[in-house]
Amino acid sequence: ILNVEQSPQSLHVQEGDSTNFTCSFPSSNFYALHWYRWETAKSPEALFVMTLNGDEKKKGRISATLNTKEGYSYLYIKGSQPEDSATYLCTPNYGGSQGNLIFGKGTKLSVKP
Amino acid sequence: DAGVIQSPRHEVTEMGQEVTLRCKPISGHDYLFWYRQTMMRGLELLIYFNNNVPIDDSGMPEDRFSAKMPNASFSTLKIQPSEPRDSAVYFCASSLAPQAPNEAFFGQGTRLTVV
Repeated sequence: ILNVEQSPQSLHVQEGDSTNFTCSFPSSNFYALHWYRWETAKSPEALFVMTLNGDEKKKGRISATLNTKEGYSYLYIKGSQPEDSATYLCTPNYGGSQGNLIFGKGTKLSVKP
Repeated sequence: DAGVIQSPRHEVTEMGQEVTLRCKPISGHDYLFWYRQTMMRGLELLIYFNNNVPIDDSGMPEDRFSAKMPNASFSTLKIQPSEPRDSAVYFCASSLAPQAPNEAFFGQGTRLTVV
């Protein structure tokens, strides 16, 4: 059973604060890591995909880094805004024939104005 | 493409009734996933298909749950008989090969309430 851990489970910050959270996953046979953003009453949407150790991706105020050797990824949000409030999910892909997409439980971010 | 289409959006049924949830994946996607969203487990993978063939159904909670994919453009998730604890939001997603860095696209979900 694939164990994908995300922490913290929830996070409450004030508008303007910067924040970060973690996704950890088994590193053996790793191929790629996806981050998804899931707003309330909507469906998850892809944010980033990263494959190489040391990869860093950025989209506006949101960025992510990847460490494939130790099996973790950080997601950073700079200057949080209320519209960043959502649950952030991660899911690793592995090589070979494994096609299942197992998500972590997510980090629920609430940004207060 | 209109994206992944799920129906119905909402379903309210009585305990013991059969429930069928439907999904139309994005054309050309050869992977289809069914998920259940619960407070305890988050987004829980129930089953996934590759080229219409069920590959891993180890997440299906009980024999009351079954899923089929008769062709590349349609899949169903059936619960028979339904129970109140099955109440949840069920998502369908499709993608190209997930072993490559291809993102999954999700439907809007079906909110199931069993009373």
